[in-house]
Parts: sequence; C-alpha cells; structure tokens
Amino acid sequence: DSGVTQTPKHLITATGQRVTLRCSPRSGDLSVYWYQQSLDQGLQFLIQYYNGEERAKGNILERFSAQQFPDLHSELNLSSLELGDSALYFCASSSGGGPYTDTQYFGPGTRLTVL
Amino acid sequence: AQTVTQSQPEMSVQEAETVTLSCTYDTSESDYYLFWYKQPPSRQMILVIRQEAYKQQNATENRFSVNFQKAAKSFSLKISDSQLGDAAMYFCAYISNFGNEKLTFGTGTRLTIIP
Repeated sequence: DSGVTQTPKHLITATGQRVTLRCSPRSGDLSVYWYQQSLDQGLQFLIQYYNGEERAKGNILERFSAQQFPDLHSELNLSSLELGDSALYFCASSSGGGPYTDTQYFGPGTRLTVL
Repeated sequence: AQTVTQSQPEMSVQEAETVTLSCTYDTSESDYYLFWYKQPPSRQMILVIRQEAYKQQNATENRFSVNFQKAAKSFSLKISDSQLGDAAMYFCAYISNFGNEKLTFGTGTRLTIIP
C-alpha cells in the first residue's frame, strides 16, 4: 500500500458526460501528479499540483481540468467525455517543493470506461 | 525532449532463474533519476528500484538490481531468483532532477514467470 488513495476504483459513463476523480496523497506529501494510462498512448503525464498551485502541465486536454484543495487532496475533472478517454487514471504523490526530485508513489488508479 | 525505450515487449523466465529487462533513454541533461515500476494484474504501479544519475554505484533492492551505464544511456533491471509474484508489466521511467517533475515512461515489458 503506497498510502495514496483514489476514488472511485471504477467508473462507467456515457459519451458527453462529466466525471470527477479524487485523489488523496500520502500523509505529508505536497505534490500531486495525474497520469493517464491507455492502450494506445501508454502512460502519459497530465498535470502536477504543488501545495494548491499548478506546477507543471503535460498532455492534458482542454476538456480536462484539475485542482488541489487546502487539505491537499486533488480532483481531476473530465468533461464532454469521448470513447477515447477510456483509460486508467493514476494519481501519484511526492513530498515535493525542494530543489531536488522526489520519488513519486502511485495510487491504485481509477478505471474509466466511456460507453 | 526525453525519451525512454524498452525494446522487449515480452520476456519469460523459469521460476528461480535470473532475467534482465532492458531500458535505454535519451536526454541532454546530466542530473536525473531513473526508476523501474512494476504493474501486476491488479494494475497498481509499484516502485521497484531507483537510481540517481550522479551515483556510479548500481542500486540494489533485495533480488532486484540495476546495471546503470550513464555514457551508454542504458538502465537494465536484473531480477534474481524469479518468483511467481514477479509476473507483471515492468516500466522504466526517467525524471529530471530539476524543473519539470514529470515521469517519462517506456512502453513496458511484460514478464511471465514459468513454474
């Protein structure tokens, strides 16, 4: 158990809908990262938050947005869903903030299926 | 941009034997970290081992060790005394030590353990 929690574990929805994925980082970690794992694109970095602020952005679609709250949990919002958004979405956390890179620990993931 | 290449989509090994998974990467940076993550059928991403580029000594974690060749930009994972629980997808990943904190993953190697 990495200490990172994600809810829900599974999500099935229809095209055009909006969903919210939730992540709680390990105790004491300030950085949260979101990754998407799909069959055709592999593991792709989406976005990083550090202590409530956006810190880095990857291949995140405009239909997707995220935020990190004062209690440090993070939410990834996916809207106008398309079939191609079906994937496993991972949250990872690290202590973050310093000048050096920290190891990222991953949550169990949320499997999103868009029908 | 950094890239990570895993040229072996699938590998198999007899239980109790040793297997080596290959990974090469491309970067113009001199300070970075390399990781091996394991993804078993549960889909959880589990950290196996981490290597700092500035350290010449190869990292070791119990039955897992790496062969880090910085000049050749090679980072292989050796699993000794393979066990059935080692069956999983193994991902090699790169991260810069400064600035952009995203993990860049390879495409993975599926390891099968033959009883």
